[in-house]
Formats: sequence, C-alpha cells, structure tokens
Amino acid sequence: NAGVTQTPKFQVLKTGQSMTLQCAQDMNHEYMSWYRQDPGMGLRLIHYSVGAGITDQGEVPNGYNVSRSTTEDFPLRLLSAAPSQTSVYFCASSLDRGHSPLHFGNGTRLTVT
Amino acid sequence: AQSVTQLGSHVSVSEGALVLLRCNYSSSVPPYLFWYVQYPNQGLQLLLKYTTGATLVKGINGFEAEFKKSETSFHLTKPSAHMSDAAEYFCAVRGFGNEKLTFGTGTRLTIIP
Repeated sequence: NAGVTQTPKFQVLKTGQSMTLQCAQDMNHEYMSWYRQDPGMGLRLIHYSVGAGITDQGEVPNGYNVSRSTTEDFPLRLLSAAPSQTSVYFCASSLDRGHSPLHFGNGTRLTVT
Repeated sequence: AQSVTQLGSHVSVSEGALVLLRCNYSSSVPPYLFWYVQYPNQGLQLLLKYTTGATLVKGINGFEAEFKKSETSFHLTKPSAHMSDAAEYFCAVRGFGNEKLTFGTGTRLTIIP
C-alpha cells in the first residue's frame, strides 16, 4: 500500500500563477482533507470531503478550490497564488469522519514569490 | 465549537528523564482525542488516540496519555526520554459527530544528551 501520495514535493510559483496540488490514497478512505502548516500556527484545515462528490470548507478556504470526483483523488487548486499561500500543504485521509485516525501524505512545500 | 491548546511551544528534557507534553481541549460534545508526531520533513504519524472507555491510552514508542474529562486535558507522557523522541508533537480533537479534526499549534521536543 502506498497510503497517501502527494505531488509535487516542492513548488515555486510567481504571484498570480495557478497550480494544482495532487493527492491520491489507495486505502478506500471515505474522508479526505487538506491542511496547511505554518510556523507557530499548527495545522489549519483548508477543505475536506466526506465522500466522492461532496466537499466543504475548513477554517482557511479562501484562495483554494477542491473537487472529489473519485474516492481516491482529492486535488487542491490555487486559483491565483499569493505570497500568503507560502506554506507546507498536507493531504490526509481517514476511513470515516469519526474516531478513525488521519493518515498523512509527506507534504508539498510551496513558495510563492 | 472545538479547540486545542498546547502549553509550551518548546520543551527540552534530558535523555532518560520524564517527558510531559500538555494538551487541553474544548468541545461541546464528547471528544475523540489524538496525539500525532512529526519528524523533520515528514508528514504526521499517529501516536495514540482516545475514543471511549479506558482513560489511560498507550501508544507507540512508549508514549501514553490520560483523558481527564474534569480537567479537559489529554497530556502526553513517556517515563524515559530517548534521543529518537526529538520531534514536533501535535494534539488534536474531533468532537463526536463533527467532521473536522482541529489541531493544536504543536510542541517541539528537544532531548539533551
């Protein structure tokens, strides 16, 4: 099992560019989510999905879009990158939305100049 | 609403000494509580979780945590620190029926030889 796979590992963007961070899981997990990690702020939830075709906003959704067309994939789109979006992004999945733990990818380090 | 407070963004202990990382939570419904560990340049890994039942929870690598409802706490302990324990530790809460997992801001543990 590969678990949760994120690509790319590193990315540098210029202000105003758009891009998609990819996330795939092979565990047939129902729940998937995107977090951003910034120093001193822990992990903050951007968007999440409780199943294919269903997505919802977390606490910091502005500037990001998601879709969930399949159970396996949950891409995160930056529409027009801003320096404030410089961060480390983690995708995570869990079997359900209850007490099942999250399984994390290894992260994407994004720098916006 | 739910939230997590981790007291102490940095904790240093000597090798062989007790490790105590503090976590207090707020939840309007019964909580599921988690501790995760993050090693440099990696994603988060589950250390242990509390769902229901026994309030003392044992995890991997000799860590354990005790759920104290009256104190709304879920502190992480290890009797004897090892150099390999140096990492960042995150406490997280998900209220029963809540789809979102909320993280604390993290505690960086340093082990002094």
